[in-house]
Amino acid sequence: GAVVSQHPSWVICKSGTSVKIECRSLDFQATTMFWYRQFPKQSLMLMATSNEGSKATYEQGVEKDKFLINHASLTLSTLTVTSAHPEDSSFYICSAILPGRTEAFFGQGTRLTVV
Amino acid sequence: SQELEQSPQSLIVQEGKNLTINCTSSKTLYGLYWYKQKYGEGLIFLMMLQKGGEEKSHEKITAKLDEKKQQSSLHITASQPSHAGIYLCGADGSGGYQKVTFGIGTKLQVIP
Repeated sequence: GAVVSQHPSWVICKSGTSVKIECRSLDFQATTMFWYRQFPKQSLMLMATSNEGSKATYEQGVEKDKFLINHASLTLSTLTVTSAHPEDSSFYICSAILPGRTEAFFGQGTRLTVV
Repeated sequence: SQELEQSPQSLIVQEGKNLTINCTSSKTLYGLYWYKQKYGEGLIFLMMLQKGGEEKSHEKITAKLDEKKQQSSLHITASQPSHAGIYLCGADGSGGYQKVTFGIGTKLQVIP
């Protein structure tokens, strides 16, 4: 099946620093990727839709200046958490739609811990 | 906005037993997705249902979507420890995937 890879799998950073998370579609081109966040014992929450070559679309309540999304190529979308704070600690996961298909394939996720 | 309720939220079964997880939507669905997740790991796509009354099976897992397209059930036959994890249903209310809403998930434990 289609493969979506995220990097890093986990990261620990100091409060106030920025962290970049990469999401790659390894064997297909993805014009659209999605970024989710999941807090412990809660469901996945869609943060934003990443569109190749254009600005990302953010869900209500998600700060676009804090969570910078760049989708510079058809196989890579990046999420940068700027000026991270402990409350940003969470599990971030991306997904991509296979062209011509309806199901989404998810990356393995990135666990971010801000200390 | 689209709301999904999953039940039960937690389930412990003996290996070999059958089980059912339900997912109910507050609105008619364009599509209903079932995923499996081990917490802290990625999601594994299981099935997608789009037509009222549709039923799909994969190995020992069967998912159904009711005629009104507001309720889905996931049934596992002869459960195994490998079935353990969190099962999430996701609802597509718009037809473009962009606004998929997920349920809170059902945590399944299978006791050998």
